[in-house]
Amino acid sequence: KAGVTQTPRYLIKTRGQQVTLSCSPISGHRSVSWYQQTPGQGLQFLFEYFSETQRNKGNFPGRFSGRQFSNSRSEMNVSTLELGDSALYLCASQGEGTDTQYFGPGTRLTVL
Amino acid sequence: TQLLEQSPQFLSIQEGENLTVYCNSSSVFSSLQWYRQEPGEGPVLLVTVVTGGEVKKLKRLTFQFGDARKDSSLHITAAQPGDTGLYLCAGRGTGGFKTIFGAGTRLFVKA
Repeated sequence: KAGVTQTPRYLIKTRGQQVTLSCSPISGHRSVSWYQQTPGQGLQFLFEYFSETQRNKGNFPGRFSGRQFSNSRSEMNVSTLELGDSALYLCASQGEGTDTQYFGPGTRLTVL
Repeated sequence: TQLLEQSPQFLSIQEGENLTVYCNSSSVFSSLQWYRQEPGEGPVLLVTVVTGGEVKKLKRLTFQFGDARKDSSLHITAAQPGDTGLYLCAGRGTGGFKTIFGAGTRLFVKA
């Protein structure tokens, strides 16, 4: 079974731009969560989607948004990028009835 | 607010030594996961523990879930340089769907 895939793996943007990251979960998994990871803050939860609905949300500004499609693929969008948005963005998928999340390789975003 | 506290934060040891990493909380979790992460990559699942008192072994790694399901430990026997990485514990909080992560233990094993 293929694992979680994320595209692109690396991105360089400048302040003020916007970015869209994509995540394809493990086949059959309907839950997708997004995390931001930085050296200083560790793994910070952004949001979780299940069956196209946002089920939970972390404490991030409205510039961070996401969505999920009917095939469970998910995207997250960050608008008006700031230098502090530079981070590794991780996506994790989860099967129904389990607590275990499986992570993708991440997208490394650098904001200049 | 549920929290998972990991200790130690950093650990630098010689190849062949044993070590234990702890993950503690005042809250009960239905399960706990342990992950290992290498720089620039996503966390890779090592194990999920579900039952209080459960012990799982994965080669040189031994995982234990506390009887009260509030804490867990990871013990590595005869550490090798390939064990180097960031070890994260995670648990599903009660009353919601959010997974809670510890801050991680960064392990460096010197040859």
